[in-house]
Amino acid sequence: KQEVTQIPAALSVPEGENLVLNCSFTDSAIYNLQWFRQDPGKGLTSLLLIQSSQREQTSGRLNASLDKSSGRSTLYIAASQPGDSATYLCAVYSNYQLIWGAGTKLIIKP
Amino acid sequence: DAGITQSPRHKVTETGTPVTLRCHQTENHRYMYWYRQDPGHGLRLIHYSYGVKDTDKGEVSDGYSVSRSKTEDFLLTLESATSSQTSVYFCATWSGGKSTDTQYFGPGTRLTVL
Repeated sequence: KQEVTQIPAALSVPEGENLVLNCSFTDSAIYNLQWFRQDPGKGLTSLLLIQSSQREQTSGRLNASLDKSSGRSTLYIAASQPGDSATYLCAVYSNYQLIWGAGTKLIIKP
Repeated sequence: DAGITQSPRHKVTETGTPVTLRCHQTENHRYMYWYRQDPGHGLRLIHYSYGVKDTDKGEVSDGYSVSRSKTEDFLLTLESATSSQTSVYFCATWSGGKSTDTQYFGPGTRLTVL
């Protein structure tokens, strides 16, 4: 059974720092992996989708990497801003379903 | 954004009453999903559909049923609501055709069972 874990559950850093969020999964037979952002009380915003054949994807200040053999993905956020404060969720496509981590709540202090 | 709507957006009901949530899509996607989101759990799959009248159970299906009579509509029913079903419910769709395809999410329904 595929399980997805995100560590840490919460993270608070000063504005301007570069930071890394971690996601691990137990079964390397994944289709794709996707990172989402969720603001409090809001819906889900897709950030990056990494296909199983890819190693990384970039969008602006965000870079996501995928290492299937070790069952890990990281989301790198450069030059963090207060507007980056949100919960970041990692999800793995497996057997036509998305399996989700519990998320990392990120707070960027001005 | 994909055309996915959920109704109602908010609902308060009492224990023991039946509740039906509706998801409507305009994208003609084959797959549709119902998730619930609770603090500390991320999203958990309740049921999903891989075509009209084709559905399967997810991780937390007990107490829920679904129906899909048309490609565009996926209904989630709580036959007899309980307080443990207080949650935020998200519907999603997926074409499933290409490796670059992403799931698209509705805005969510906040359900409170008193």
